[in-house]
Amino acid sequence: LAKTTQPISMDSYEGQEVNITCSHNNIATNDYITWYQQFPSQGPRFIIQGYKTKVTNEVASLFIPADRKSSTLSLPRVSLSDTAVYYCLVGGGNMLTFGGGTRLMVKP
Amino acid sequence: GAGVSQSPSNKVTEKGKDVELRCDPISGHTALYWYRQSLGQGLEFLIYFQGNSAPDKSGLPSDRFSAERTGGSVSTLTIQRTQQEDSAVYLCASSNPGQGITGELFFGEGSRLTVL
Repeated sequence: LAKTTQPISMDSYEGQEVNITCSHNNIATNDYITWYQQFPSQGPRFIIQGYKTKVTNEVASLFIPADRKSSTLSLPRVSLSDTAVYYCLVGGGNMLTFGGGTRLMVKP
Repeated sequence: GAGVSQSPSNKVTEKGKDVELRCDPISGHTALYWYRQSLGQGLEFLIYFQGNSAPDKSGLPSDRFSAERTGGSVSTLTIQRTQQEDSAVYLCASSNPGQGITGELFFGEGSRLTVL
C-alpha cells in the first residue's frame, strides 16, 4: 500500500495561490492520485484525480512529476471558504487509505 | 435522494451495548466503503465491499466490528459491546469503479457515535 506524507498544516491569505505537496514514494504502477477536501462535520469531497503530468479542473490543478513519487495540489486564489482539511489518497481497487491530511487555514 | 445517506446521524449509547449504523449508497454504485474518524484525526479504513466479491475486512479493529451489505446495496456496520474508544464519526462512501480505476468516492454525512 502506498503510504502518503503531507504537511500537517498550512496558513495562507485570501487571494493567494496555495500548493500542498504529498509524498508517496512507493506508489504502484496502477495507482491513481486523488485529493479530497473535508469541512468540519462533513464527509470528504472529491477535488481532483490524476495519474501523471498535469490535470486541471474548475477548482484546482494537480501536478505529478514523471517519477510519480509526489504530487502537488494547487488552489488558485484561495478564499476563506477554502479553509478545510485536504487529503491526498493513493491507490486503486479495494483498500483506499487516507493519510493524516493537511489542515489549511485561510486568513483575511 | 441522490447522495449517500447514513443513519442515524447521531447515536449516544452506553458502554457494552450493541449499535447498528446504516448506509444507503448511491444507486448503481458497486463499491462501498466504511471509514472511522476520531475527533481531529484522519480517516481510518474499516471495510470495503465490491459487487458480489468477498469484502475486504482488513481494517476492522476487532471482532466486535462487523458489516454486511445486502443485495449489493444497503450496508450495516454493527459494533457489539461498545467501548468508549469506539466513539467517533463513522463515514460511508460509495463509488462506481467501472468509470475509472478508482472512481470518485462519494461520502455520506457520517454517523456520530458517542459511547458513555
